[in-house]
Amino acid sequence: GENVEQHPSTLSVQEGDSAVIKCTYSDSASNYFPWYKQELGKRPQLIIDIRSNVGEKKDQRIAVTLNKTAKHFSLHITETQPEDSAVYFCAATTGRRALTFGSGTRLQVQP
Amino acid sequence: DSGVTQTPKHLITATGQRVTLRCSPRSGDLSVYWYQQSLDQGLQFLIQYYNGEERAKGNILERFSAQQFPDLHSELNLSSLELGDSALYFCASSVDGEGNEQFFGPGTRLTVL
Repeated sequence: GENVEQHPSTLSVQEGDSAVIKCTYSDSASNYFPWYKQELGKRPQLIIDIRSNVGEKKDQRIAVTLNKTAKHFSLHITETQPEDSAVYFCAATTGRRALTFGSGTRLQVQP
Repeated sequence: DSGVTQTPKHLITATGQRVTLRCSPRSGDLSVYWYQQSLDQGLQFLIQYYNGEERAKGNILERFSAQQFPDLHSELNLSSLELGDSALYFCASSVDGEGNEQFFGPGTRLTVL
């Protein structure tokens, strides 16, 4: 089955800096890669996703890049703000099975 | 608000007991997924239903079972509860059974004493 590895496990940045979280996946047939943000005790919220026919996708301060050859994808957050502090999860799927999640990255944005 | 509802929000019970968690998917979504999240852990996929039929199984214990009803709501049954079953249980729904764009409910926090 699919295996998703996520790094780093924790990330601390100063407000206004950029943050990058990286994931690798094992199944070359995976074609859908979402990112979820989870605040403490709350539900995971879908913040951005990318499909395998696209190399990059942006939504305001958030962007995701995908390298199918290397089987890795990354989340980029620019101009970080304290409200970006949360746990971020990447995930992957071929579409024929449920999402496989990474282990999560705890992002702390220092004011 | 994702449109996915879960009840109850909190559940406190004792070891050996049985509980039922309920999930209603977003309007129009046919697929329901159940996940377990232990303290400071990631999201572990348990089971998926699509339009009333089991579609995929993950790391679900034999003590756990689920079903999806004709109105598409789903129930997760946990029996012979152990301390280690204490966790947040999320359900998610998607429009199809292809694993895309899953939207999560608020979760049920289960505490086993």
